Amino acid sequence: GAVVSQHPSRVICKSGTSVKIECRSLDFQATTMFWYRQFPKKSLMLMATSNEGSKATYEQGVEKDKFLINHASLTLSTLTVTSAHPEDSSFYICSAREGGPEQYFGPGTRLTVT
Amino acid sequence: GENVEQHPSTLSVQEGDSAVIKCTYSDSASNYFPWYKQELGKRPQLIIDIRSNVGEKKDQRIAVTLNKTAKHFSLHITETQPEDSAVYFCAATLPPTSGTYKYIFGTGTRLKVLA
Repeated sequence: GAVVSQHPSRVICKSGTSVKIECRSLDFQATTMFWYRQFPKKSLMLMATSNEGSKATYEQGVEKDKFLINHASLTLSTLTVTSAHPEDSSFYICSAREGGPEQYFGPGTRLTVT
Repeated sequence: GENVEQHPSTLSVQEGDSAVIKCTYSDSASNYFPWYKQELGKRPQLIIDIRSNVGEKKDQRIAVTLNKTAKHFSLHITETQPEDSAVYFCAATLPPTSGTYKYIFGTGTRLKVLA
């Protein structure tokens, strides 16, 4: 149980375009979903927290107009990187929690902006 | 806010030896402490966790200890195997203030088990 999927696993896009990443909880209803960014050999950096039907809460320093988060249902959250630039290239990982504090992570999406 | 420090950043052990990774946290209100294992390019996987009302928890070769007074918790891996090689992250979690638990991650420990 507690499986989280993420799509796509890898994406390459051109500078200035937008990219959408999907995060799904497959066998449970996610009370909350989280979006993280991870740089090579670094820890996970929380970008935002989203609850179904509510606006996402962004961490300090994260541009909400650049990283659009939608949590339309209890099993799906999306992250859209708008007007992507090379510095947005990174490994993006989502996680989901059901009722307790445990978070279950998706497999991650490697974004490369050329 | 909460801050989590993790040591060491890298750890090499011989196969069969034990490995210990330590984390300290700053906010005494933190009440949930998970440990994750992440292999290169893969998702973090929860390997063990402990809540603040417990001092120790064990699952086969893996154990976690918590010292609330000193505000530190440790991961212990016994009889290490090459497949234990990975990056390990600790995290501390404060009780939800707005209905949402949030992890504060440590900086990670790269464990290498030498065959």
